[in-house]
Amino acid sequence: QLQLQESGPGLVKPSETLSLTCTVSGGSISSSFDYWGWIRQPPGKGLQWIGNIFHTGSAYYNPSLKSRLSVSVDTSKNQFSLTLSSVTAADTAVYYCARQLRSGMYHFDYWGQGTLVTVSS
Amino acid sequence: QTVVTQEPSFSVSPGGTVTLTCGLTSGSVSSDYHPSWYQETPGQAPRTLIYSTNSRSSGVPDRFSGSILENKAALTITGAQADDECDYYCVLYMGNGISVFGGGTKLTVL
Repeated sequence: QLQLQESGPGLVKPSETLSLTCTVSGGSISSSFDYWGWIRQPPGKGLQWIGNIFHTGSAYYNPSLKSRLSVSVDTSKNQFSLTLSSVTAADTAVYYCARQLRSGMYHFDYWGQGTLVTVSS
Repeated sequence: QTVVTQEPSFSVSPGGTVTLTCGLTSGSVSSDYHPSWYQETPGQAPRTLIYSTNSRSSGVPDRFSGSILENKAALTITGAQADDECDYYCVLYMGNGISVFGGGTKLTVL
């Protein structure tokens, strides 16, 4: 059974960089032909797709976040990571990592439990 | 910028049938967008209900079904139950690694 677990600071100061890591267990990122993605949900608001990465390192970003966003993968640790720079209170959200299947399906089938990141001084 | 639209809220009587939709501000939704649907309850990660327009995820009751209706993706719940009261999100795959979530529909069962 595939499992994903987010980790990282729960509090980030405005203008600083938010960094999260997703650790995958029960399967290998490098043997997968799927996307590994990040989704977030601000308090009281809807879900927002942030970005995806393929095990080769090819990354795809939400255009509204692209200038501040980087998603990377470390296949040796079976992890992928998110960094979001110059954060503001609007970046306060529960951040989820998830696997997005390819092969003609393109849905998110396994999700992490989510981690709340608060941007505040 | 592409916007995926959903009804902000919907209400259904217990035992009734409701259809939630997922559209585009510009253009029609087809199976080429691989629409998927997720159920979200407070404090839990989203649960996949439907993928590839009309395929039911493992363990999802058959009272949940997906389709394309009038140029929109649709999620139909037949025989609504009290625990169906939650938020529902659709996702469209735009190609080139890009996905877009709809704004979500808050379903009330009363």
